[in-house]
Amino acid sequence: AQSVTQPDIHITVSEGASLELRCNYSYGATPYLFWYVQSPGQGLQLLLKYFSGDTLVQGIKGFEAEFKRSQSSFNLRKPSVHWSDAAEYFCAVVRYSSASKIIFGSGTRLSIRP
Amino acid sequence: GAVVSQHPSRVICKSGTSVKIECRSLDFQATTMFWYRQFPKQSLMLMATSNEGSKATYEQGVEKDKFLINHASLTLSTLTVTSAHPEDSSFYICSASISGGNHEQYFGPGTRLTVT
Repeated sequence: AQSVTQPDIHITVSEGASLELRCNYSYGATPYLFWYVQSPGQGLQLLLKYFSGDTLVQGIKGFEAEFKRSQSSFNLRKPSVHWSDAAEYFCAVVRYSSASKIIFGSGTRLSIRP
Repeated sequence: GAVVSQHPSRVICKSGTSVKIECRSLDFQATTMFWYRQFPKQSLMLMATSNEGSKATYEQGVEKDKFLINHASLTLSTLTVTSAHPEDSSFYICSASISGGNHEQYFGPGTRLTVT
């Protein structure tokens, strides 16, 4: 069965520093992968997605992610974080066996140090 | 494009009453809508999947008689929490997808339900 693991529950980085949020998936074939961001009390906004093709995916707000099949990873990166990036980040994978359902990771809370 | 709205954004109800939450796709027709529940500081838990004109499919452990889902049109799905209890207090989020849309889901802003 497909699954998604986000090993980091909470990360704090300084404003202007680089960021990498980890995501590992479990799936035999090429997965459909997503990164979503959620601000407190809000719904989810799609940052980027990977379906096929170029393994380096560009998203909104300056985020990018790289699909690495050999490591079963889809880590999210940003070269320089802004205070407004503080939020909860969810990695997700499509669960093919059941009508395009999405399986979410447990989330990583990002805090920004001034 | 691909905007999903939810109404209300917040609701407080008394224990034993029912509350209805609406999920609308504003600028597209949603063949499938999903309902999630999110507890504080936790991930989203899928409750059910609904397709327009058919019965919802509930995830294991979700009481279908308690959480009634209706998907009457391609732009509207409703979740009714019946005989609500304080443990039903949570953040409910809906999403919608388009047939042939590469499995992408568009999420609503969520509804905060508090049962007193």
